[in-house]
Amino acid sequence: AQSVTQPDIHITVSEGASLELRCNYSYGATPYLFWYVQSPGQGLQLLLKYFSGDTLVQGIKGFEAEFKRSQSSFNLRKPSVHWSDAAEYFCAVGAPTGTYKYIFGTGTRLKVLA
Amino acid sequence: DTEVTQTPKHLVMGMTNKKSLKCEQHMGHRAMYWYKQKAKKPPELMFVYSYEKLSINESVPSRFSPECPNSSLLNLHLHALQPEDSALYLCASSQRGTGLETQYFGPGTRLLVL
Repeated sequence: AQSVTQPDIHITVSEGASLELRCNYSYGATPYLFWYVQSPGQGLQLLLKYFSGDTLVQGIKGFEAEFKRSQSSFNLRKPSVHWSDAAEYFCAVGAPTGTYKYIFGTGTRLKVLA
Repeated sequence: DTEVTQTPKHLVMGMTNKKSLKCEQHMGHRAMYWYKQKAKKPPELMFVYSYEKLSINESVPSRFSPECPNSSLLNLHLHALQPEDSALYLCASSQRGTGLETQYFGPGTRLLVL
């Protein structure tokens, strides 16, 4: 069965510091992979996605993620965090065929210190 | 344009009320989704419509009744809800719904059941 783990429930970084949010998945083949961000009380905004090809994916708002098959990971990174990046971040995975369903991680709440 | 709109933004209802949530997209997508999200949790899939036909019902109680009048509109009719149904209800859409695709989320309706 597919699963996704976001090991860090909370992360606090200082503004201007670099950021890495971890996402590990369990799936027999290469899944489709997504990162979404959710500001308080808001919907989910797609940051980036990986379906195939180049394993380093660029997204919006200066975010990038790297797919590492050997580690079953799809970690999200940003070189310099802004206060407006404070939000909940969800990693999601899914099988390329046969299902409509995302499997969401439990989320990582990012706090940014001024 | 990757916008999904939802109305109302907030809804308070009693357990005997009947109300409806509305979702609209004009991206030409043919799949639409309802999710329920409790505080500090990831979204949980409730229903999927593909080409205006209900394709997935995740064993949702009958007090939630979805409707897809056309390819741009998705409604969720609510009747005799319980306080534990209070949550953020998110709508999403994707291109065809014939497999796993990128889903675009609306801002959500925050529902409080008294």
